[in-house]
Formats: sequence, C-alpha cells, structure tokens
Amino acid sequence: AIQMTQSPSSLSASVGDTVTITCRASQVIRNDLGWYRQRPGKAPELLIYGAFSLQSEVPSRFSGSGSGTDFTLTISSLQPEDFATYYCLQDYNYPRTFGQGTKVEIK
Amino acid sequence: EVQLVESGGGLVQPGGSLRLSCEASGFTFSMFWMTWVRQAPGKGLEWVANINQDGSAKNYVDSVKGRITISRDNARNSLYLQMNNLRDDDTARYYCARDDSRRGGSGWLDAFDIWGRGTVVTVSS
Repeated sequence: AIQMTQSPSSLSASVGDTVTITCRASQVIRNDLGWYRQRPGKAPELLIYGAFSLQSEVPSRFSGSGSGTDFTLTISSLQPEDFATYYCLQDYNYPRTFGQGTKVEIK
Repeated sequence: EVQLVESGGGLVQPGGSLRLSCEASGFTFSMFWMTWVRQAPGKGLEWVANINQDGSAKNYVDSVKGRITISRDNARNSLYLQMNNLRDDDTARYYCARDDSRRGGSGWLDAFDIWGRGTVVTVSS
C-alpha cells in the first residue's frame, strides 16, 4: 500500500496566519490526492481534490499544490474554524490511504 | 437535504458480527460510488472499503479482507457493511461517505463530498 506521510504532525498558529502542511507519497501518485479537514467531534470535510481543485463552497483561503510525490495544503488567513486536523488521501490506487493527520492548534 | 445517516453500531465481543447501515437521502444514491472510512479512538482516518454504483465492483483495505463485506441496495438508498469475526482493532467510529468522482487529466478523482456523522463499533469482551 502507498504510504502517505504528513508534516508536521502538529503546529500552533494564530488567527490570520498562513500555514502550510505537506504530504509525501511513498511512490508517484500523479495528482490523485485530496485534502480533508476534520473539526473536533465532527465528520471530515472535503477541501481539495485532484491535488489543487477547490471543492465547491470551500473558502478560497484554502489552496493545494504539488504532483508526483510531494503535495502542499496552504491555508491563508487562518480562521477560528480552521483549528482542526487535516488529512491527505491518495486515490491513485487501492487501498486508498490517508496521511496520519496534522493538527492545527491555537497559539 | 443531502445527507447520510449511519446506524447499527454497538458493543460486540471479539469474534462477533455486526451489520452497519448507511441511509442516503436528498440525492440519487444509485449514481454514486460509496465508501466506508473508520477512525479508531484518538487516531487518524482509515479507508475501509468502497463499492461502485451497481455493486459489481468492491475494494477493501487488506486488514478487513475476508471478514468485512460492503454491499448496497439502491432500491432502499442504503449502503451496508457486514462485519464478521470482529477484532479489538476494529473498534472505531465508522463513517459512510459519498464519492462524487470528478474527471481528472488521467482518469477519475475521488471526492468524498458528503459524510455521515458515523456510528461507533466497540469490540470488547
């Protein structure tokens, strides 16, 4: 199975900050990557699919980039609802695999 | 309103069985791939299985193969997960999700755009 490694595992930031989360695949996965946000006690929410395509109604402060093995999620102007855990997910092959998650905490 | 509602979780002994259900509403269920994702207490997300629109294609994570079966009934707008020979490490909240696959440059891209709230399975003696 493809291993997805996120970094950092956690970070502290303030409202208004820009944060960057990276995800590395153990093999080339083209652009077959999504990003999900999970707020405490809630189900995950789709943010980005296909590495850089913004899901409908997701704020434009979220952006994704990368291809091959290295991917980035950038959140500009962090909002209170963005303090959550973020996961990448490869959909290049089966089984689908998530990264271990990056927890964004309030500084 | 577009929604997914899971049910069927509970406490079961190791080696036991459980059937999870996910009822869809507000969209044409038969048009979408569907997925189960689980999350052990305090842990990250794990993709478990998916199924195509007519149930003819199914995929599983290795750790559940031979023990867990995904199925669907389009007439009932329902997705199922039959879980047999349950183990302690199957303890998790189980989410169903709709896969609104998008056309990409090299094929189809997963997009789990609708999620249920999940149902909790606890395997313990």
